[in-house]
This record gives sequence, structure tokens and C-alpha cells, in this order.
Amino acid sequence: AQRVTQPEKLLSVFKGAPVELKCNYSYSGSPELFWYVQYSRQRLQLLLRHISRESIKGFTADLNKGETSFHLKKPFAQEEDSAMYYCALSGRSNDMRFGAGTRLTVKP
Amino acid sequence: GAVVSQHPSRVICKSGTSVKIECRSLDFQATTMFWYRQFPKQSLMLMATSNEGSKATYEQGVEKDKFLINHASLTLSTLTVTSAHPEDSSFYICSASSTGGGETQYFGPGTRLLVL
Repeated sequence: AQRVTQPEKLLSVFKGAPVELKCNYSYSGSPELFWYVQYSRQRLQLLLRHISRESIKGFTADLNKGETSFHLKKPFAQEEDSAMYYCALSGRSNDMRFGAGTRLTVKP
Repeated sequence: GAVVSQHPSRVICKSGTSVKIECRSLDFQATTMFWYRQFPKQSLMLMATSNEGSKATYEQGVEKDKFLINHASLTLSTLTVTSAHPEDSSFYICSASSTGGGETQYFGPGTRLLVL
């Protein structure tokens, strides 16, 4: 069964501090992992996907198959990064599963 | 935590028939529900946003007469794919949020639709 776990509902950091949003998954196969973000009063949007191996808005995420994790990281958080972040997994059938989300607050 | 269910999880139908997908919030009142569609190997596409008791707001390019959305109660929204065609085959996901939840979306498990 596909399962995505985001252990932190809330995460608060100060501006300029490093931030890591945790995501662990359960899937017996090779999954495709995503991070979605929703800024206040805006629609959900794709932040990054592991197959792209790109950095968006300073965020990176590395798929660690050994630890079944796909943590989202940014070395220096900005106030505009405050948002809801959702980790998602797509398996063989392409059906997507979402984590419960983490609300990131970056304080000035 | 908040739970959102979808029914059915999988459905196969013949071309030309209509299919109804239900999205329920099991332990909270969902003032807003969202319907997404996921194409293979792509990210989600928001189809429409519905608020309880009012008409859904459809995204550009989504046919409102094709994808009928009803949000009749605070715990139930339905998406009806009318006169389905093979190109409507997709994975449909709903999410729900409550005003007291700070815009957090709780996602359903999705419905896989296959139109033959």
C-alpha cells in the first residue's frame, strides 16, 4: 500500500535559518515523489518532483530509498516561504497519495 | 486527524454513460472542497472549487456541463462525469478544507476512472 507520512503538522523557523520538512513514504517499488505548496489564498501548485532533480525557490529534496524519505530542504528560509507543504507519492498505477501536510511559518 | 473518503476507488464504465464520484469528509465539516485530475506522469490539475451551498467555480478549460459538481452538504461533494469518453479516463482526487482548519487541505484517496 502507498502511504505518505509528514510527521510535523506545524513548523516554525526564523528568517535566514535552515528549514527541513520531513516526508517518509511506504511503497514497495520505485515511486515518484513530489512536493506541492499552497500559499495563503492561492491554489495548490507543484514545487518540485524528484525525477527533475531541480531546485525551485531554493528548495531541494533528495529521494533516499534506504530511509524511504523525501525531505524538503532550504538552507536559508524566507518569510515568503510561509505556506502549507504537501508531500505526495505516485506509484506504478500513477495514483497519487498525499501526506497530511506541514504548515511552515517563517518568522521575521 | 481529518479524514476524507472517496467512493468508488475504481470504476470502469462504457463510453456515453455518466459516472458519479463521491467525496466525503468523515470527521469535520468541509466548507470548501476541491476536485483535481491527475494525468499520467503529470502533476495534479485543479478542476473546480466548490463551497457548500453555492455553485462550483471551474478552472479555465474545464467544462462545467461535462463535470457536474454538487456540494449539497458540509460533508459531501459529488463529481459527475457526464457522457464519459475514453479521454476522461484519469485519476480524480478531491480534497476538503474547513474554515477552522487554516486552509489546510485534506486529500481523499482518489478515484481511478476507466472509460471503455
